[in-house]
Amino acid sequence: DAGVTQSPTHLIKTRGQQVTLRCSPKSGHDTVSWYQQALGQGPQFIFQYYEEEERQRGNFPDRFSGHQFPNYSSELNVNALLLGDSALYLCASSLVGGGSGTQYFGPGTRLTVL
Amino acid sequence: GDSVTQMEGPVTLSEEAFLTINCTYTATGYPSLFWYVQYPGEGLQLLLKATKADDKGSNKGFEATYRKETTSFHLEKGSVQVSDSAVYFCALGSNAGGTSYGKLTFGQGTILTVHP
Repeated sequence: DAGVTQSPTHLIKTRGQQVTLRCSPKSGHDTVSWYQQALGQGPQFIFQYYEEEERQRGNFPDRFSGHQFPNYSSELNVNALLLGDSALYLCASSLVGGGSGTQYFGPGTRLTVL
Repeated sequence: GDSVTQMEGPVTLSEEAFLTINCTYTATGYPSLFWYVQYPGEGLQLLLKATKADDKGSNKGFEATYRKETTSFHLEKGSVQVSDSAVYFCALGSNAGGTSYGKLTFGQGTILTVHP
């Protein structure tokens, strides 16, 4: 049973560029959430997707956008990159109404903005 | 809004020592509570969870009890090992719309180092 997978593992971009990160949820899960984890901090919620729609959003600017596909996989897009966007981006999957809403995390994508 | 406060670290212990990492929360409604662990260079792994007041979550010798009266979810382990060295995050799961769970709100994390 494959867990949550993310690609790429590492990414280096320059200021002003755009980036797309990808996530495949755990088998059987239908909901994907994205988090940003700055160095030495706890993860911060970006947004959550269910049924191909954004259900909930954290305090992040519109430069951060996402998409969920019919197979439940998801993308996180960040436009006009800033130095402060450098972080570990974590994807988590869960099942609507399943259990306690437990979210299972992928290994993350380390984004460095130069 | 929802918030989680963890005891500040880092915490350094000798092997077989007793561990407590304090966690308190502020939330509306009846959240679920979680402890996640992050090993160097890795994502977050669920350690344990509790979904209602007085529930005790446990896993790999770690325990935490959901205390609604004190809004706490302290993590404990009776005898730590070197392999327990990691960053521990307390998290609160909000209830989005009553049918499923929305975002997780995390504490700032506590670095645990266990020496032989």
